Amino acid sequence: DAKTTQPPSMDCAEGRAANLPCNHSTISGNEYVYWYRQIHSQGPQYIIHGLKNNETNEMASLIITEDRKSSTLILPHATLRDTAVYYCIVRVLNKAAVNKLTFGGGTRVLVKP
Amino acid sequence: EAGVTQFPSHSVIEKGQTVTLRCDPISGHDNLYWYRRVMGKEIKFLLHFVKESKQDESGMPNNRFLAERTGGTYSTLKVQPAELEDSGVYFCASSQDGGIYGYTFGSGTRLTVV
Repeated sequence: DAKTTQPPSMDCAEGRAANLPCNHSTISGNEYVYWYRQIHSQGPQYIIHGLKNNETNEMASLIITEDRKSSTLILPHATLRDTAVYYCIVRVLNKAAVNKLTFGGGTRVLVKP
Repeated sequence: EAGVTQFPSHSVIEKGQTVTLRCDPISGHDNLYWYRRVMGKEIKFLLHFVKESKQDESGMPNNRFLAERTGGTYSTLKVQPAELEDSGVYFCASSQDGGIYGYTFGSGTRLTVV
């Protein structure tokens, strides 16, 4: 799986959008971009994933650049409960592939009142 | 739908003792995974079951760790004998397919070896 680079930490204001960048310049054509987060004392939580189109669900939006070398996770209206470590992971997605997730250091997001 | 359940939530044992962690995946999920985070390190994959079969155990650190999933339902991870460096949080996750729409993780077992 391709390696990813994320800023180690960032702050954002409650109620504002949080934009979390991720670089994955060595991503292959068959690798998806996944985002997970880990809130303190809980297990990692799946947020969203995408291949090349932008994606949106009830939690967040995922914007992937046209060359797929980077992406941005957007939390549209950050709340204090969104304080967590956010992980950007790229992985191949097929039944024959190894299914393990490779976590990096992630971005520690602190939402402030 | 019940989530992934792990037991115990915390365990403190002495070096050299044995500890068994248990994971109950979401009912019907054939895929079950173990991960761990040791102090100051990143979350690392340990192994992956498909039903009762070990699909990938490349992340198991050494032969002191034994994972089982008899009957393809719950799984146990035994550490025998435990060492100080085994301290950390052990996570279990399950998925219905290959995790296409993400894995569901449990809250983890915090293991402290003293």
